[in-house]
Amino acid sequence: QITLKESGPTLVKPTQTLTLTCTFSGFSLSTTGVGVGWIRQPPGKALEWLALIYWNDDYRYSPSLKSRLTITKDTSKNQVVLTMTNMDPVDTATYFCAHLLQRQLDFDYWGQGTLVTVSS
Amino acid sequence: QSALTQPASVSGSPGQSITISCTGTSSDVGSYNFVSWYQQHPGKAPKLMIYEVSKWPSGVSNRFSGSKSGNTASLTISGLQAEDEADYYCCSYAGSSTFVVFGGGTKLTVL
Repeated sequence: QITLKESGPTLVKPTQTLTLTCTFSGFSLSTTGVGVGWIRQPPGKALEWLALIYWNDDYRYSPSLKSRLTITKDTSKNQVVLTMTNMDPVDTATYFCAHLLQRQLDFDYWGQGTLVTVSS
Repeated sequence: QSALTQPASVSGSPGQSITISCTGTSSDVGSYNFVSWYQQHPGKAPKLMIYEVSKWPSGVSNRFSGSKSGNTASLTISGLQAEDEADYYCCSYAGSSTFVVFGGGTKLTVL
């Protein structure tokens, strides 16, 4: 059974750096074809893809946020970490991590999400 | 503004069928058969309902079906049920640099 869970601060101040951790079970990020992505959703708004990392350390970033994002993985801990610099109130959102298979290019398992509020 | 265009809302009565459209471009929907659809109930995580345009993940009802024509993908829900009331998002692969783009979401109301 695949499960994912996001963790991190619920409140960050403007200009600070956000660090979120996705801890997963039921699969390994050392298995060929497996990836983990991050998607966010501002309150009442649409989903927005942020970043993705594959089993082979290949990664992708949203072009609009690329300069602010870093995604890494720790295979031994079954974790993926996303950092986002220079946080702004418009970054207030629920942040989800999700499992992906490279051959299908869809997010088939999702974490419950974690709400991050950016405010001074 | 989202990369893929969906109607803001659709509605239907129990038992009826509805279709949600998802319009992209020749750089995403029109070029790849990697269109997926997600159902999201309030306060919950999205759930994959359709992948690769028209395939069902395990456990998803075949009342949900997907199709694509040109730059537009569609999700059809037949035999509407009260529990189908939710937000629906389309998503398309858009090449190795952009990777994926989501639609703006459609709120389905079951009357």
